[in-house]
Amino acid sequence: NAGVTQTPKFRILKIGQSMTLQCAQDMNHNYMYWYRQDPGMGLKLIYYSVGAGITDKGEVPNGYNVSRSTTEDFPLRLELAAPSQTSVYFCASSYTGTSGSEQFFGPGTRLTVL
Amino acid sequence: QQQVKQSPQSLIVQKGGISIINCAYENTAFDYFPWYQQFPGKGPALLIAIRPDVSEKKEGRFTISFNKSAKQFSLHIMDSQPGDSATYFCAAFLSGGYQKVTFGIGTKLQVIP
Repeated sequence: NAGVTQTPKFRILKIGQSMTLQCAQDMNHNYMYWYRQDPGMGLKLIYYSVGAGITDKGEVPNGYNVSRSTTEDFPLRLELAAPSQTSVYFCASSYTGTSGSEQFFGPGTRLTVL
Repeated sequence: QQQVKQSPQSLIVQKGGISIINCAYENTAFDYFPWYQQFPGKGPALLIAIRPDVSEKKEGRFTISFNKSAKQFSLHIMDSQPGDSATYFCAAFLSGGYQKVTFGIGTKLQVIP
């Protein structure tokens, strides 16, 4: 199993550009999550999904959109990139949403907006 | 508002020493407390976790100590090794699911030979 994969690993965007961060998992997990990680701030939840076709906002959703058309894929869309979106983005998945089900993280995408 | 306060932000320990990272929480409804280990360029990975009905949990060289009355928990790494050099995050989990997990700000541990 590849686990949770993310592409690209690095990206530089200009202000106002758009892009999609890709996330895929091959563990048949129902739950998927997008986090951003900023220095000194810990991980903040952007969006999450409890299954195909179902998504919901996390703590910091502004400026982002998600979709979940399949169990495997959970892309994160940035529209009109802003410098405040410079961060490291992690996708994660878990079989259920409860603490008894371990959450697995991808390797991250480092995004810089200039 | 930071619901989980983690300290220190950075820690240097000599090989063979004990590394101690502390976390304090405010919400008594938290019912699961995982610790994550993150190596540079990688995503976090679950290291060890504890529930509030247990005061201590040990897995190999890693131990969580939990003080429910003080609303504090800590990670102890015994016989610290250079390979333990990483960033460690504590987290607190509400029964509503992972969407309600609150992470600490992280501690960058460096173990020097």
